Amino acid sequence: GAGVSQTPSNKVTEKGKYVELRCDPISGHTALYWYRQSLGQGPEFLIYFQGTGAADDSGLPNDRFFAVRPEGSVSTLKIQRTERGDSAVYLCASSPYSAQEQFFGPGTRLTVL
Amino acid sequence: AQSVTQPDIHITVSEGASLELRCNYSYGATPYLFWYVQSPGQGLQLLLKYFSGDTLVQGIKGFEAEFKRSQSSFNLRKPSVHWSDAAEYFCAVGRMDSNYQLIWGAGTKLIIKP
Repeated sequence: GAGVSQTPSNKVTEKGKYVELRCDPISGHTALYWYRQSLGQGPEFLIYFQGTGAADDSGLPNDRFFAVRPEGSVSTLKIQRTERGDSAVYLCASSPYSAQEQFFGPGTRLTVL
Repeated sequence: AQSVTQPDIHITVSEGASLELRCNYSYGATPYLFWYVQSPGQGLQLLLKYFSGDTLVQGIKGFEAEFKRSQSSFNLRKPSVHWSDAAEYFCAVGRMDSNYQLIWGAGTKLIIKP
């Protein structure tokens, strides 16, 4: 079956611009996670959704970052006033419920110039 | 605080040789343990996981890992590596106060010599 998909695969933007990153989880998975991965590091947790609600957004670095999942399926990570330090690979994962086994998408590489 | 350590940033192994990637964790109870592999341009793929029971866990692609509570380790092994195993490998631990958050090691990049 289809895995987790993320679009775009690459995004280049200028400092100060707004970006949206999309995640389409595996059908039927109620739990969805966003991570950020910098070069040479493991993934860093950003936010976790159970259904439509953000059950834990404690990993979002500041209020420029926001994520939504309005219908409990597709999620969008939104970054306002991007900074060069936001450059990273943004990973999305989903799981059937809040099980620990997470299925990852290929990521979106964000570059802020 | 919980942490995961992968002491080797890079490991180079000849094709056909055996492999062991190290993972140590700090945790107050029996953790949930995972190994993921990340190939260039690909998402993280679960190789194997340990929740409870038999401490030797078999995974996909011929990998196995052994949970050793006394050493707080969960090392990944493969008896004979193939060139296609070249990738980055991540160890992760399930957080004790959360049933969904994973704490990740920094990864070990595996390089295969022909």
